[in-house]
Amino acid sequence: QLVLTQSPSASASLGASVKLTCTLSSGHSSYAIAWHRQQPEKGPRYLMKVNTDGSHIKEDGIPDRLSGSSSGAERYLTISSLQSEDEADYYCQTWGTGIVAFGGGTKLTVV
Amino acid sequence: EVQLLESGGGLVQPGGSLRLSCAASGFSVSDYDMHWVRQATGKGLEWVSVIGIAGDTYYPDSVKGRFTVSRESAKNSLFLQMNSLTAGDTAVYYCARANSGSYFDSWGQGTLVTVSS
Repeated sequence: QLVLTQSPSASASLGASVKLTCTLSSGHSSYAIAWHRQQPEKGPRYLMKVNTDGSHIKEDGIPDRLSGSSSGAERYLTISSLQSEDEADYYCQTWGTGIVAFGGGTKLTVV
Repeated sequence: EVQLLESGGGLVQPGGSLRLSCAASGFSVSDYDMHWVRQATGKGLEWVSVIGIAGDTYYPDSVKGRFTVSRESAKNSLFLQMNSLTAGDTAVYYCARANSGSYFDSWGQGTLVTVSS
């Protein structure tokens, strides 16, 4: 079963860095994923696709301080120089034939 | 510029039906896999349906047999027919475009469906 696991919450200070993790279920460690951000009271927005080798394809306009990486079954989103606008819910997404899965989301608080 | 605009949400009684629309601009819905995703208040994202470029459709078990996704090229729009609605279907419904049949690269702003008596 294709499942993505995310920690429910994360917290970091203004100006600091944070690394969010998305873990693919057993047998699916070769899957690419996408990261989406949902700010309060808004719809989701695509940030980037992260491949198995750690390469990533960012949406136009996403700043360089957001980056993606990969290790085994884990896919990461690193945000550096945290700003107040980064406070949001972050979801990872993956796909297969006739199926799409989302992680439960990580609520990032910038303190 | 790619834009997706959902409409058709509202209040419906349990057991009732509703048809959602998603008007696309900046691209043709026939050239991409198009999806519906929903989000209950305070909850995460849940995939609801996809219609592929070839017209193939897929659904999760939670809506299979009750929901039907379709598209109309002339209107450049995506639709979701929802039947036998229950309180568990209450959510904001988003349409989304899949890039090369994979990740979602564009989302709409959502339309709220409330199922209540």
